[in-house]
Amino acid sequence: DAGVIQSPRHEVTEMGQEVTLRCKPISGHDYLFWYRQTMMRGLELLIYFNNNVPIDDSGMPEDRFSAKMPNASFSTLKIQPSEPRDSAVYFCASSFQTGTGQAGYTFGSGTRLTVV
Amino acid sequence: GENVEQHPSTLSVQEGDSAVIKCTYSDSASNYFPWYKQELGKRPQLIIDIRSNVGEKKDQRIAVTLNKTAKHFSLHITETQPEDSAVYFCAASKWQAGTALIFGKGTTLSVSS
Repeated sequence: DAGVIQSPRHEVTEMGQEVTLRCKPISGHDYLFWYRQTMMRGLELLIYFNNNVPIDDSGMPEDRFSAKMPNASFSTLKIQPSEPRDSAVYFCASSFQTGTGQAGYTFGSGTRLTVV
Repeated sequence: GENVEQHPSTLSVQEGDSAVIKCTYSDSASNYFPWYKQELGKRPQLIIDIRSNVGEKKDQRIAVTLNKTAKHFSLHITETQPEDSAVYFCAASKWQAGTALIFGKGTTLSVSS
């Protein structure tokens, strides 16, 4: 398995532009998570999905952020308009539910976003 | 919701010494506590985990202890080596419920030879 795949690996954009980050979870995983990592705040949970349905989006910073999961193999995180304070590494992770609990929690390689 | 505090934020040790990182959690319903290691520029990777039905777990030079009453858990690394240098994150979740991992802010461990 190729693991959790994120694209792009690096993104540099100008303030005010729309940014779309992409994630492909591991096949068979029914949970997908988006995290943001900064030096000051560490790994923050933004939103997560179960079977393509958003379960908890309380970590989404503000209305400029939105996330979708149109099918089991693809999710996007969109920032519109982007601001310099959005600069961070964005990680996607996926996991699956067994009969007794969650398993296989795996991170993608991340997208390093720089907003200038 | 869950809140995880992690200390210290930085830790420097000499090669061969032990390192201890401590975390506390707020939600008494949390029952799964993994530790992740993140090397510079890479993704976090699971190194050890513990569930609330045990108090300690060991894997070679790494051990994790859990005190449910006090709601804290710790990572112990013995005989540290330079390749142990990385950022370590603790996390907590309700394992059976399929909730997200909530992470501490991380500890940067530096092992000097």
